[in-house]
Amino acid sequence: QKEVEQNSGPLSVPEGAIASLNCTYSDRGSQSFFWYRQYSGKSPELIMSIYSNGDKEDGRFTAQLNKASQYVSLLIRDSQPSDSATYLCAVNKMDGGTSYGKLTFGQGTILTVHP
Amino acid sequence: DVKVTQSSRYLVKRTGEKVFLECVQDMDHENMFWYRQDPGLGLRLIYFSYDVKMKEKGDIPEGYSVSREKKERFSLILESASTNQTSMYLCASSVYGTWRVRNTIYFGEGSWLTVV
Repeated sequence: QKEVEQNSGPLSVPEGAIASLNCTYSDRGSQSFFWYRQYSGKSPELIMSIYSNGDKEDGRFTAQLNKASQYVSLLIRDSQPSDSATYLCAVNKMDGGTSYGKLTFGQGTILTVHP
Repeated sequence: DVKVTQSSRYLVKRTGEKVFLECVQDMDHENMFWYRQDPGLGLRLIYFSYDVKMKEKGDIPEGYSVSREKKERFSLILESASTNQTSMYLCASSVYGTWRVRNTIYFGEGSWLTVV
């Protein structure tokens, strides 16, 4: 089982729709969860972080975390063509009680928003 | 804004050459990382460092070494480049903390290495 799993897609949604991206992880001790956006040929850019169960909203983005189900998701409302990118789910690895910021990444989901 | 700078963006090297990839961050972060990214394999951690002169192996350290002589600089070294090391290499940094500190890592722009 992969440590962090995402559907590779591609996920195609029309402009203005809600895009839903999903991620599961295997380590129950994981504490921090991140969503990065990566445009083709560019480096990943942080768009959301979430640490507690429930929802966290930031503009058009909502991250959802369910630790019991080991599941984290990202919703993008009112999707725009500029949201077309690869979305990477990342989970923080812990060494004892200390975080060195080591992240384990999923393979990414390709999102295409068409006009 | 956090700035992580990778000085070499595009390199072409020959098999067997020694290759240095340099990374500098300007936010006084304790932690620095080297990842590589390959299609279908995602991002994989090569090495990380949590302090000057300290280093730890990541998931795929074979064929690589690192150097951290100064806090702001973390170098990745390919001792003898091979074609299977053709990839995009990403440097990143983050602040040190316990689990109560919500770490975030920031990436540089990436270095595209082709080994021929």
